[in-house]
Amino acid sequence: DSGVTQTPKHLITATGQRVTLRCSPRSGDLSVYWYQQSLDQGLQFLIQYYNGEERAKGNILERFSAQQFPDLHSELNLSSLELGDSALYFCASSTIGGRGINEQYFGPGTRLTVT
Amino acid sequence: KNEVEQSPQNLTAQEGEFITINCSYSVGISALHWLQQHPGGGIVSLFMLSSGKKKHGRLIATINIQEKHSSLHITASHPRDSAVYICAVITNTGNQFYFGTGTSLTVIP
Repeated sequence: DSGVTQTPKHLITATGQRVTLRCSPRSGDLSVYWYQQSLDQGLQFLIQYYNGEERAKGNILERFSAQQFPDLHSELNLSSLELGDSALYFCASSTIGGRGINEQYFGPGTRLTVT
Repeated sequence: KNEVEQSPQNLTAQEGEFITINCSYSVGISALHWLQQHPGGGIVSLFMLSSGKKKHGRLIATINIQEKHSSLHITASHPRDSAVYICAVITNTGNQFYFGTGTSLTVIP
């Protein structure tokens, strides 16, 4: 158990809908990272937050947004869902938000299926 | 062009064999991660390297910054090592993370 929790574990929804994925980092970790893993694209970095502020942005679509709250939990919002958004969404946390020179701990993932 | 290339894509080994998985990258990095993903989907970070070599049990990871290459070695492989191993790099600007496509390892008893 990494100490990172993600909810829900599974989510099935229809095209055009909006969903929110939630991540609670390990106790004491200030950084949260979001990743998407799809069958055709593999793992991709979406976005990183550090202590409530956006720190780095990867291949995150404009239909997606994220935020980190004062209690350090983070939410990833996916809207106008398309079939291609079906994927595993991982959250990871780490202690500091520097140039990646710190260990990341991954949550169990949320499996999103868009029908 | 992929910023991170892994080889081989698939690997089958007999229990006890020495295994090497390679990772080459084309960007300047501040660190490289080796990740393990089991069939259930969970991801575990095995190593984080910025130089040299690290060892944890039967696992050894090395990195050559000049050659932009890293290797993950598994000594005395065991069926429980069967998983997908993924190489990931963090650019030296700290702004981007790139992943290899993974190496699927199967260790046969």
